[in-house]
Amino acid sequence: LAKTTQPISMDSYEGQEVNITCSHNNIATNDYITWYQQFPSQGPRFIIQGYKTKVTNEVASLFIPADRKSSTLSLPRVSLSDTAVYYCLVAPQNDKIIFGKGTRLHILP
Amino acid sequence: DTGVSQDPRHKITKRGQNVTFRCDPISEHNRLYWYRQTLGQGPEFLTYFQNEAQLEKSRLLSDRFSAERPKGSFSTLEIQRTEQGDSAMYLCASSPQGQSDSPLHFGNGTRLTVT
Repeated sequence: LAKTTQPISMDSYEGQEVNITCSHNNIATNDYITWYQQFPSQGPRFIIQGYKTKVTNEVASLFIPADRKSSTLSLPRVSLSDTAVYYCLVAPQNDKIIFGKGTRLHILP
Repeated sequence: DTGVSQDPRHKITKRGQNVTFRCDPISEHNRLYWYRQTLGQGPEFLTYFQNEAQLEKSRLLSDRFSAERPKGSFSTLEIQRTEQGDSAMYLCASSPQGQSDSPLHFGNGTRLTVT
């Protein structure tokens, strides 16, 4: 299973755009890239998923370069409520999903 | 979509006791996963089911842990002879198999405290 590397923590300010980059050098051909958000005392919540290029939904954008060895989650105009842990995962569709430690994002007023 | 439901939300037990947790997945989801999470760590994979079949069990899971999904719907996770190291949040997730853009849907977990 592909291993992911992402920053342990990040700080940003309200209204800013936040980009969290994840490295997955050993990604396999049939692997998808999925990001989850987790608040304290809650289960992780799906944010966005992609295979290549760019994916955008109402919450975030996901940028994936052609070699797929990394991906960047972009959160536009963050607010205090975006303070959470963000996990980048790489796995075949609906296969065993292994979480890393994630990135603790702290939004400051 | 009523979401993934876990019961109980909290459980306090004494060391050596047995505990059982229940997970009700989203009704049309045939995949069901169990994870364990301790403070400051990401969710740790325990096991997962395809309908009633248990497809994989983590090597980290001792023989004191067992999970079932007898009718391919709800699942139970039992821990026998609990130890203080079992204290954690136990998370359940479900997903439909074989569909694109079908991520895991998590419940809000059962927090176990072993005293």
